[in-house]
Amino acid sequence: NAGVTQTPKFQVLKTGQSMTLQCAQDMNHNSMYWYRQDPGMGLRLIYYSASEGTTDKGEVPNGYNVSRLNKREFSLRLESAAPSQTSVYFCASSNPSGARTGELFFGEGSRLTVL
Amino acid sequence: EDKVVQSPLSLVVHEGDTVTLNCSYEVTNFRSLLWYKQEKKAPTFLFMLTSSGIEKKSGRLSSILDKKELFSILNITATQTGDSAVYLCAVYSGNTPLVFGKGTRLSVIA
Repeated sequence: NAGVTQTPKFQVLKTGQSMTLQCAQDMNHNSMYWYRQDPGMGLRLIYYSASEGTTDKGEVPNGYNVSRLNKREFSLRLESAAPSQTSVYFCASSNPSGARTGELFFGEGSRLTVL
Repeated sequence: EDKVVQSPLSLVVHEGDTVTLNCSYEVTNFRSLLWYKQEKKAPTFLFMLTSSGIEKKSGRLSSILDKKELFSILNITATQTGDSAVYLCAVYSGNTPLVFGKGTRLSVIA
């Protein structure tokens, strides 16, 4: 039981390049999330998907797009990377009871550096 | 807008000390408050609190919620170097996903 799996774990990009962060969960969770974490800023929500087929913006969506490919997978795309997007990205999911209490299960994180 | 404020932002203590971490919040429709511990990688779940005055306890860690005053504390007794981490507080309103505070970075030195 792998839980939440993110790839890649590390990535270095040049300004203007594009890339996609992949996330998959094997816990049959309905809801999935992308957060970014910067020093001293805590976790900030980028986008989330409450259920398959739906996506919504979070606190900091600019410069990102998402796709809920199916119930298991939720990807985050940077179309034209900027240095301000240098961060650690966390994917998370929640189960139906978690949707009532908010508990999230996190992936290991993806460290992205944009030069 | 839902808001979570943690204090202090960082803390250095010696092994064996007791520490108290604070979390205050403003949410429109409170459902739960959660504490996570984050070491090098992903945050790991510690406690979830929904009712005032009921202490949750796990070993040397305990937490309590005051819904009237809109805050929670996380206590760690007899601290160990393995307690060094960032402790994150988050609130859930039921309308949107978890809103996190900026975290408290705890360093326990031998």
